Amino acid sequence: QKEVEQNSGPLSVPEGAIASLNCTYSDRGSQSFFWYRQYSGKSPELIMSIYSNGDKEDGRFTAQLNKASQYVSLLIRDSQPSDSATYLCAVNPPYSGAGSYQLTFGKGTKLSVIP
Amino acid sequence: EAGVAQSPRYKIIEKRQSVAFWCNPISGHATLYWYQQILGQGPKLLIQFQNNGVVDDSQLPKDRFSAERLKGVDSTLKIQPAKLEDSAVYLCASSPTRVSYGYTFGSGTRLTVV
Repeated sequence: QKEVEQNSGPLSVPEGAIASLNCTYSDRGSQSFFWYRQYSGKSPELIMSIYSNGDKEDGRFTAQLNKASQYVSLLIRDSQPSDSATYLCAVNPPYSGAGSYQLTFGKGTKLSVIP
Repeated sequence: EAGVAQSPRYKIIEKRQSVAFWCNPISGHATLYWYQQILGQGPKLLIQFQNNGVVDDSQLPKDRFSAERLKGVDSTLKIQPAKLEDSAVYLCASSPTRVSYGYTFGSGTRLTVV
């Protein structure tokens, strides 16, 4: 059973601080990793993707991947109140027939940025 | 590029009634997904279509849920009869053939079963 684990939070950080969100996955060999942001009452929105070990930066967001540890993280620098949302980690498992082109989601971490 | 369209946005029904949701994916996207998101949880895949064929429906409660994708474009998800535990947001997403770039969700349909 493919599993994606996230701390449900809530994670509270002061405005301007770095928010660190973590995710682990069970299916070794997973190929693609994504972070989605979901505001309350809205649908998930793709904000970051990462495919190889290391860091990937996009503006204030940095995704980090460590396949050996089966660990993905998202760092948000200079956190703003508008970053307050639930962050969902999603994983594309390795090719295995029907499940190959799907994303498995974690339960999400709720982030609250305090002004 | 137009996004994934879903309707209705909200629906309230009584248990044992039936309900249907509609999804129109992004033009040219071969793969369409229906997810169920219960409050406080992550989205859970119900069914995946590739063009007009079902790729994976292993988590679809087939005794009450059904879905179809006519002509490989629009899709309809139906629940009959609904149970209280079906209260959730039903999300439709689409992607090009490979999901390596992630996929785009529609605005969702919030279903409340009373």
